[in-house]
Amino acid sequence: AQTVTQSQPEMSVQEAETVTLSCTYDTSENNYYLFWYKQPPSRQMILVIRQEAYKQQNATENRFSVNFQKAAKSFSLKISDSQLGDTAMYFCAFVISGNTPLVFGKGTRLSVIA
Amino acid sequence: ETGVTQSPTHLIKTRGQQVTLRCSSQSGHNTVSWYQQALGQGPQFIFQYYREEENGRGNFPPRFSGLQFPNYSSELNVNALELDDSALYLCASSSPGQGAGNEQFFGPGTRLTVL
Repeated sequence: AQTVTQSQPEMSVQEAETVTLSCTYDTSENNYYLFWYKQPPSRQMILVIRQEAYKQQNATENRFSVNFQKAAKSFSLKISDSQLGDTAMYFCAFVISGNTPLVFGKGTRLSVIA
Repeated sequence: ETGVTQSPTHLIKTRGQQVTLRCSSQSGHNTVSWYQQALGQGPQFIFQYYREEENGRGNFPPRFSGLQFPNYSSELNVNALELDDSALYLCASSSPGQGAGNEQFFGPGTRLTVL
């Protein structure tokens, strides 16, 4: 069974600073996709960034980047120049391929402090 | 392009009652997945519908059932409600073959409270 672990229930960061959220996962599959989703108080789950397991290059999306370590099954999210609007729950998620369901971690609550 | 919508936004029911939640998928998407998100937890997969057929199910009892309609909208039905069914129910739509790692687009959710 696939599992996703987020070991940091809560984190805080000063505005304009950098923060890294951790995620590890477990799977015996070789081809899969990893995601970071953001869930603000409005509850809508928003995709932040996506990484294909077959790509060695780490994905980046503006201020968001990942550190993907396939052998270690680690997928951390780095947020640079943190903004107040980044305050939200962040979920790491995993999907094998095809039309299979997402497997989510328990989330990390990030607070950006002015 | 219309996003994923869900109704109602909030719902309060009592134990033993039945509830129906609705989801309209994003334009062009033929797959709908339902997730239950308990307070303080990550979403848990309930089931998925693809072209009106159930296409996978998580570890939920049979009193959780669903439908998908020809326009790909979907319903989640829960019978004999229990207190533990109180949660945020999320609907996500996707379309196989659109690549991009099977991105699922989420609706805003329905908050169900069972008293």
